[in-house]
Amino acid sequence: EAQVTQNPRYLITVTGKKLTVTCSQNMNHEYMSWYRQDPGLGLRQIYYSMNVEVTDKGDVPEGYKVSRKEKRNFPLILESPSPNQTSLYFCASSFHRVYGYTFGSGTRLTVV
Amino acid sequence: AQKVTQAQTEISVVEKEDVTLDCVYETRDTTYYLFWYKQPPSGELVFLIRRNSFDEQNEISGRYSWNFQKSTSSFNFTITASQVVDSAVYFCALSAEVNNDMRFGAGTRLTVKP
Repeated sequence: EAQVTQNPRYLITVTGKKLTVTCSQNMNHEYMSWYRQDPGLGLRQIYYSMNVEVTDKGDVPEGYKVSRKEKRNFPLILESPSPNQTSLYFCASSFHRVYGYTFGSGTRLTVV
Repeated sequence: AQKVTQAQTEISVVEKEDVTLDCVYETRDTTYYLFWYKQPPSGELVFLIRRNSFDEQNEISGRYSWNFQKSTSSFNFTITASQVVDSAVYFCALSAEVNNDMRFGAGTRLTVKP
């Protein structure tokens, strides 16, 4: 089944404790992206990647890191999480961004 | 810069009513793509439709229809004879050829009451 898999689905952590949210797609897509969803703000792009080793900042990259060492994986790293990073995070992939993204199931992160 | 505005934060209708969700966009690019996504209460994001800037034909898919008007920079979504299962948050999004950012609106929460 073609899908984007994110893990974990839910995560509660403490301020400053590094964490990684994994994302993997099995569709051989070149484009991958991370979004965060907050009430009243819709989805805002954090980082995106057009291919292996090619990443760029989206609208809200501060406090996040990404890497794209393999085509299928695009992990999101929070080196020192803070409470304002409490949000619902979505990973997405696409053959090409203009065709629309396929989204993962989401990761609900709470930073206390 | 690109911008998507969904002015309706929440809409509530009774089953079988028709409802239109508004989407207004801004872009300087001549080639761009517009999308609608649905987010049901379960939380996943479901792709509904994609439209490119050169195709202003309206589209109908069952009870769903989309009205794209470049003159008013709008891409509105109409649900005919709404059903309880249509209750969800609906997002409009814009992606331009020369800009790699796909920008979403804030979303419209639709509640369909039985």
